[in-house]
Amino acid sequence: GQNIDQPTEMTATEGAIVQINCTYQTSGFNGLFWYQQHAGEAPTFLSYNVLDGLEEKGRFSSFLSRSKGYSYLLLKELQMKDSASYLCAGSNDYKLSFGAGTTVTVRA
Amino acid sequence: SQTIHQWPATLVQPVGSPLSLECTVEGTSNPNLYWYRQAAGRGLQLLFYSVGIGQISSEVPQNLSASRPQDRQFILSSKKLLLSDSGFYLCAWSPPTVADTQYFGPGTRLTVL
Repeated sequence: GQNIDQPTEMTATEGAIVQINCTYQTSGFNGLFWYQQHAGEAPTFLSYNVLDGLEEKGRFSSFLSRSKGYSYLLLKELQMKDSASYLCAGSNDYKLSFGAGTTVTVRA
Repeated sequence: SQTIHQWPATLVQPVGSPLSLECTVEGTSNPNLYWYRQAAGRGLQLLFYSVGIGQISSEVPQNLSASRPQDRQFILSSKKLLLSDSGFYLCAWSPPTVADTQYFGPGTRLTVL
């Protein structure tokens, strides 16, 4: 596996910005995925980084540094519906290794 | 467009009973297929994956097995369920390339009593 490490919980206010960090082991690494999972539901794909740098998709951005084994997911202009678990996953050939997920709670 | 189905959505089974969960994908050919389990409050654990009909790779030794009888059908089975088999079972597919995005089905919530 990739030994994915991410914080367990984060809390932020509606309209604010939150950054979720993820570190991984670099051996056999292909790329880095972020998924969103609402309670009781299946994960949905958010972003994929294979090259260093920032990828922006609307309110969500994801960053990757391959040399540092580090990624982050940036959520801007937080909305109540963004309350969910965010899963970081490293890819190695056909497989993904998932972190335990970061539960983000958005408060009014 | 591609669609992935899983059934049943929920299942309550006694310890020692058999299990069969089915997953089918529509709108794509030769997908990679995956079975994951997510215990309550935990991350996703990869159980099996398949890159073609009849090809199954097992990631975690346990009392579960998987089969792929058709290109877009993936089945997870057990002969005798354990209490520790309870969890949220997710099937996923990806295009037939290395390190591509995986898309998840709606999942089956299994409770073993």
